[in-house]
Amino acid sequence: NAGVTQTPKFRILKIGQSMTLQCTQDMNHNYMYWYRQDPGMGLKLIYYSVGAGITDKGEVPNGYNVSRSTTEDFPLRLELAAPSQTSVYFCASSYLAGGNEQFFGPGTRLTVL
Amino acid sequence: RKEVEQDPGPFNVPEGATVAFNCTYSNSASQSFFWYRQDCRKEPKLLMSVYSSGNEDGRFTAQLNRASQYISLLIRDSKLSDSATYLCVVNIGGNQFYFGTGTSLTVIP
Repeated sequence: NAGVTQTPKFRILKIGQSMTLQCTQDMNHNYMYWYRQDPGMGLKLIYYSVGAGITDKGEVPNGYNVSRSTTEDFPLRLELAAPSQTSVYFCASSYLAGGNEQFFGPGTRLTVL
Repeated sequence: RKEVEQDPGPFNVPEGATVAFNCTYSNSASQSFFWYRQDCRKEPKLLMSVYSSGNEDGRFTAQLNRASQYISLLIRDSKLSDSATYLCVVNIGGNQFYFGTGTSLTVIP
């Protein structure tokens, strides 16, 4: 099993550009999450999904969109990139909610200039 | 007020030392508690869940104090490979997880 994979590993965007961060898991987990991690800050939840077709906002959803058309994939879309979105983005999945272990992907380092 | 607060450190300890980290949380309705480990420029990985009665996994011991709303992690006989950032994570129900900023540990030969 590859676990949780993310692409790309690194990306530099110009202000106003759009991009999609890809996330795929092969563990048949229902629950998937997107976090961002800024230097010196804890991970903050952007969006999460409890299954295909179901998504919900986390703590910091503004400027992002998600979709979940399959159990495996949970892409994160940035429509109009801003410097404040410079961060490391982690995708995670878990078998159950709440008290379950989350498995994280290796992260995408995004810089917006 | 932050949902989860940790002393960022850094903690620099010699090999073989015992070191303890604390973490406080603000929501008394918090339901699940975890310690994750994050190596430099890597993803977080679960170290251990924290149970109400406290739990131990080898050299690692986690404690939960619901009355004072803090959790702790004790590492005994520190190894060089324990050098990492330790993240305190709290679940307040459903899928809302809150991460602390992490405590940095360096174990010195």
